[in-house]
Formats: sequence, structure tokens, C-alpha cells
Amino acid sequence: GQNIDQPTEMTATEGAIVQINCTYQTSGFNGLFWYQQHAGEAPTFLSYNVLDGLEEKGRFSSFLSRSKGYSYLLLKELQMKDSASYLCAVSGGSYIPTFGRGTSLIVHP
Amino acid sequence: NAGVMQNPRHLVRRRGQEARLRCSPMKGHSHVYWYRQLPEEGLKFMVYLQKENIIDESGMPKERFSAEFPKEGPSILRIQQVVRGDSAAYFCASSPGKTSYEQYFGPGTRLTVT
Repeated sequence: GQNIDQPTEMTATEGAIVQINCTYQTSGFNGLFWYQQHAGEAPTFLSYNVLDGLEEKGRFSSFLSRSKGYSYLLLKELQMKDSASYLCAVSGGSYIPTFGRGTSLIVHP
Repeated sequence: NAGVMQNPRHLVRRRGQEARLRCSPMKGHSHVYWYRQLPEEGLKFMVYLQKENIIDESGMPKERFSAEFPKEGPSILRIQQVVRGDSAAYFCASSPGKTSYEQYFGPGTRLTVT
């Protein structure tokens, strides 16, 4: 089975940096994903990590440590539109991603 | 290139009725996944299909729920004799292949059972 943990809610200030952590336990590993989901909308893909290290894509970066079962999503230069839920998902041996409950990020002025 | 399409976007059913949710994957995608999302909860995998085949239905309730992806036409998630606990958002996602790492999600169908 697979178990994914991430904080329920985080708040941050516009222009700041925020790090959203995700820990997981999985049988088999074929990658870790981060998705963004605005209220009432579909999840949209942000990043994918399958090897250890940092992947940077504009204001968003994602880090993975397979030995620690740990990942984080780093958001820089926060904007109000970044207020959303951020979903961590792990693809195990079956290649079907298991999603965490999501972290609701609130960005305030 | 049109994205994943789902219809209807909102569906209201009375207890005991049937609900049919449709999903048309992105052009060129032959792999479809259905997820259910309850308020304040994560996406729960239900079923994974390819054309005319159910590959993995380990997340589907044993009764009342079924899914298909015919050779022609959209994938359909069917819920018979709906109960209030079926009220949720149902998302469909597609990908070009099993090992393709990115799934593209449709806008979802919000099912309300009264």
C-alpha cells in the first residue's frame, strides 16, 4: 500500500517563499508528482521527480529524496493567484498515482 | 488540441436513480483514469481503462459502480441506485500511455444526490 502525508493548510505573504513538504511510504516507486488545484477546478500538473535532487521550473521547484521518502514543492515570489490546493502524488509499482489530501495554501497581501 | 472533456459538469440525481458520467480523453490518448474527490479530501483512484479493456479497477466499489471505454466514443462511469454518499466530484484524466508520467485532468463532474 501507499501512504502520503502533507500539511493540511499553510499561509504565506505575497512575494515570499513557501515550502510544502510531502512524505510518503510506498511499495515500488515510479515517480512523484505535484499538482495544483484551484477551488472547483481540475488539478493541473506542476512537476515530476523520479531521481533525487531539485527540479526547477520558473517560480516553482520540486525536490525529491527517495531514501528519505520525502519531497517538497518550493514556490518563490508568491502571487495571490498561487492560493490553491497543492497535491502530492506518488506512482508506485502499478504506475497509478496515489494522491495525498492536498495542502491548502493561502497567500495574503 | 482540445483537452480532456467531461460532461455533464453538474449532475443532480435523486436517491435510487442512475448517474452516467462521460469522459473524452485528449486526442491521441488511449489511457483513461477515473478519480473521486470528496470535500476536503484527496483524489481517490477508482479505475484505469484502455480502449475496450479495464486494466485496474481496484478502487471501484464492488457494487453499483461500473466503467467502460468502448472502441468508439467516450469513457463512461456508471453509478446505479445512487445514494447520498455518492455525492462528490468525479474527475477523469488521460495519458498517452501507462508509463507516461503526466496525467491531464478534465474539469470534473459534480454529482449531487438528493
